[in-house]
Amino acid sequence: QKEVEQNSGPLSVPEGAIASLNCTYSDRVSQSFFWYRQYSGKSPELIMSIYSNGDKEDGRFTAQLNKASQYVSLLIRDSQPSDSATYLCAPRSYNTDKLIFGTGTRLQVFP
Amino acid sequence: DTGVSQDPRHKITKRGQNVTFRCDPISEHNRLYWYRQTLGQGPEFLTYFQNEAQLEKSRLLSDRFSAERPKGSFSTLEIQRTEQGDSAMYLCASTSGGNNEQFFGPGTRLTVL
Repeated sequence: QKEVEQNSGPLSVPEGAIASLNCTYSDRVSQSFFWYRQYSGKSPELIMSIYSNGDKEDGRFTAQLNKASQYVSLLIRDSQPSDSATYLCAPRSYNTDKLIFGTGTRLQVFP
Repeated sequence: DTGVSQDPRHKITKRGQNVTFRCDPISEHNRLYWYRQTLGQGPEFLTYFQNEAQLEKSRLLSDRFSAERPKGSFSTLEIQRTEQGDSAMYLCASTSGGNNEQFFGPGTRLTVL
């Protein structure tokens, strides 16, 4: 089992729709979770962090965490073509400070 | 610009040569991380520093790789006797600790011919 699993996509949604990105992780004691956006050829950009069960909203983005199910998700409301990118899920390892990245989900928002 | 900076942005080298990359973290960030990313994969942890101390090194990192952060500010990553399999984007990130939000630099893209 991979430490972090994400559907590689592509996930295609029309402009204005809600994009839902999912991630499961294997480390039961992970406490911190991060979502990064990565445009092709660029480095990852931090867009959301979440530490407690439940929802956390920031603008058009909502992160959801369920530690019991070892599941974290990212919702993007009113998707725009500029949201087209790869979204990386990264739990922080409890025993160390490193981030464990999934392979990412490629999102395509079409006009 | 007060973000993480990396130099060079691109490096093309021949197999067997040594290369060195530099990372300047965000000012006052005491933790600095190196990751490597290949096409279609997420970043893979290589090593990290808290101030000048190297606290963890990936088991995947061969002896050809070495990293330093001599004064607790900038860091260098050296690859000796490069191989074609070393071709990747090398990413540096920094954080001030606490919530451990890591911010990435633009990366150094290495191509080994």
